[in-house]
Amino acid sequence: AQSVTQPDIHITVSEGASLELRCNYSYGATPYLFWYVQSPGQGLQLLLKYFSGDTLVQGIKGFEAEFKRSQSSFNLRKPSVHWSDAAEYFCAVGPAGNMLTFGGGTRLMVKP
Amino acid sequence: DGGITQSPKYLFRKEGQNVTLSCEQNLNHDAMYWYRQDPGQGLRLIYYSQIVNDFQKGDIAEGYSVSREKKESFPLTVTSAQKNPTAFYLCASSIPSAQETQYFGPGTRLLVL
Repeated sequence: AQSVTQPDIHITVSEGASLELRCNYSYGATPYLFWYVQSPGQGLQLLLKYFSGDTLVQGIKGFEAEFKRSQSSFNLRKPSVHWSDAAEYFCAVGPAGNMLTFGGGTRLMVKP
Repeated sequence: DGGITQSPKYLFRKEGQNVTLSCEQNLNHDAMYWYRQDPGQGLRLIYYSQIVNDFQKGDIAEGYSVSREKKESFPLTVTSAQKNPTAFYLCASSIPSAQETQYFGPGTRLLVL
C-alpha cells in the first residue's frame, strides 16, 4: 500500500527566508508525486508534479521540489517566502489506478 | 471558464437527515472523486468514478452514497448512517490516467446541528 508522511504539522518562517517542507512516501514502484496548496476554506491547487526524468521539478509561484529515490523523499522548497505563501501544503503519491494518497498536510505561517 | 463547482459552500444537517452535496465539472473529465478532509488527517477518498454509470468505494465509503448519471455531475449523499459527518468535502476530477492532474473544486463544509 502507498502512504505519505509529512513530518511537520506546522512551520513558521520569516518573510524572505527560505522554506523546505518535507515529504516522505512509501510506494512499491516509481511513484508519481504531487504537491498541492490550499488556502483556508478553499480547494487544492497543484503546485508541481513529478512523473519521470529530471529529479528537480519547477512549479508555480517560485516553488520547486526534488525527488530523491534513495531517501523516498519529495521535499518542497522556495528560496524566499512571501506573506501570501501562508497556507496548507499537501504532498500526494500515486497512481494505484490514478488514486492519490495524501499526506496529513503542513500548515505554513509567515512572520512579517 | 472551465472548472469544478461545488454547492452549497456551507451545509447544515439535522440528526437522522440525509443531505446531498453537488459537484459539477465542465472540464470534460471522465474521472471524478470525492474526498473528506479533517484537520490533521489530510484528504481521504470516499468514492470515485472513472466513467458514467460506474463508481467504486474509496477508503471511507461507509455512510455515503454517490451516483454518476452524467459525465459532468457526481453528487455525494451523506446519509444518516454517517455518525460523524462534520468535515470539509472536496470534489475533484481528472482524465483517468495515472499521469494526469486532479483538479479540485472549492469544497463544501458540512456541519451538524
